[in-house]
Amino acid sequence: DTEVTQTPKHLVMGMTNKKSLKCEQHMGHRAMYWYKQKAKKPPELMFVYSYEKLSINESVPSRFSPECPNSSLLNLHLHALQPEDSALYLCAISPRTTQFTDTQYFGPGTRLTVL
Amino acid sequence: GENVEQHPSTLSVQEGDSAVIKCTYSDSASNYFPWYKQELGKRPQLIIDIRSNVGEKKDQRIAVTLNKTAKHFSLHITETQPEDSAVYFCAASRPGGFKTIFGAGTRLFVKA
Repeated sequence: DTEVTQTPKHLVMGMTNKKSLKCEQHMGHRAMYWYKQKAKKPPELMFVYSYEKLSINESVPSRFSPECPNSSLLNLHLHALQPEDSALYLCAISPRTTQFTDTQYFGPGTRLTVL
Repeated sequence: GENVEQHPSTLSVQEGDSAVIKCTYSDSASNYFPWYKQELGKRPQLIIDIRSNVGEKKDQRIAVTLNKTAKHFSLHITETQPEDSAVYFCAASRPGGFKTIFGAGTRLFVKA
């Protein structure tokens, strides 16, 4: 089983708070992703890091700030969020092979509620 | 832009029956087609995938078929069980890309 952990599992924050979501993997996979998922919808790509460099930012508002401090860790810093940002935030990883199109494996997610 | 259409949005079957979910993709460069199962409150979990050099793949009760000419791919679940109840997402991606285009999802109910 591909092991991706995310903390915290649940987070409730006010609109003026600053918080961070954390994703950790020890598979040695070199691509890491943040997705946002609203109820009854598919995951929506936010950011992609490849070899610790930001490769994709899907025009995400600046109140979301990603960080990839090393090949095992991915953070998402949150500041001044809005209630509509409440969602399940999923981290995903993929091997970043050149031979095949990558398979993405998801972490368990952080359920975020913004009051 | 790239798009994946998924049908039906909801599917209800009796335990033991088969279930089929169909997807159509728009990007002819897509070459990888994963299927994810998501139970309530859980992560999307890869259940099967197929690459464009293969027409069919089977894993126990689950099979996926791909028609590249028509840009269709389908998930077949045989002998359904209540634990198969979940939301299923099809997806497509192109070589070397990071973006996975997801279908809107199918909510499958298996009635005991």
